[in-house]
Amino acid sequence: GEDVEQSLFLSVREGDSSVINCTYTDSSSTYLYWYKQEPGAGLQLLTYIFSNMDMKQDQRLTVLLNKKDKHLSLRIADTQTGDSAIYFCAERYSSASKIIFGSGTRLSIRP
Amino acid sequence: DTEVTQTPKHLVMGMTNKKSLKCEQHMGHRAMYWYKQKAKKPPELMFVYSYEKLSINESVPSRFSPECPNSSLLNLHLHALQPEDSALYLCASSQDRERTGGNTGELFFGEGSRLTVL
Repeated sequence: GEDVEQSLFLSVREGDSSVINCTYTDSSSTYLYWYKQEPGAGLQLLTYIFSNMDMKQDQRLTVLLNKKDKHLSLRIADTQTGDSAIYFCAERYSSASKIIFGSGTRLSIRP
Repeated sequence: DTEVTQTPKHLVMGMTNKKSLKCEQHMGHRAMYWYKQKAKKPPELMFVYSYEKLSINESVPSRFSPECPNSSLLNLHLHALQPEDSALYLCASSQDRERTGGNTGELFFGEGSRLTVL
């Protein structure tokens, strides 16, 4: 079935690293994405990883992909108050046009 | 221009009204999408248009009627909605992966139209 799972909440101290985890279902997924949604706004693409990669780094963001376990993670280094948002992982199914979103993880930053 | 523009931003309608949501992109993308998002939930796929043809309908009730007049425009016609249809309706576009190999296929989202059905 189509099910992308994430933990619902994460709270970190400002300046620490945040790690948001995701498990997905389609072993033939080609691309996996991380989106950020701030209150009242649409979704903004943060980064993506192709399924034949294990890791991708983009400034403060590091994506790790474990294809065997169908596990994806997003690490945000030096978390800032502006990082407060809901983070969605998403997978593009091998049937091309379909992108399915995880349940979203609400990241809150404490001083 | 990397924007997806949705209008209106807010819409309040009664259950007997007919209204439309509009979406426009000028990035040359050939796939366009409607998603529905309830509060504290992920976006749920409703429809996908690829090259102006409906390619995916996720068993959406017929009171929602999509239309793609041209490659830049996507409409969602609303009729006889129910209060439980109140949600944020998100439009997105992407390069069509099937026809343009090698692109990453990410979705570019609009800011959404927040619909309230009374």
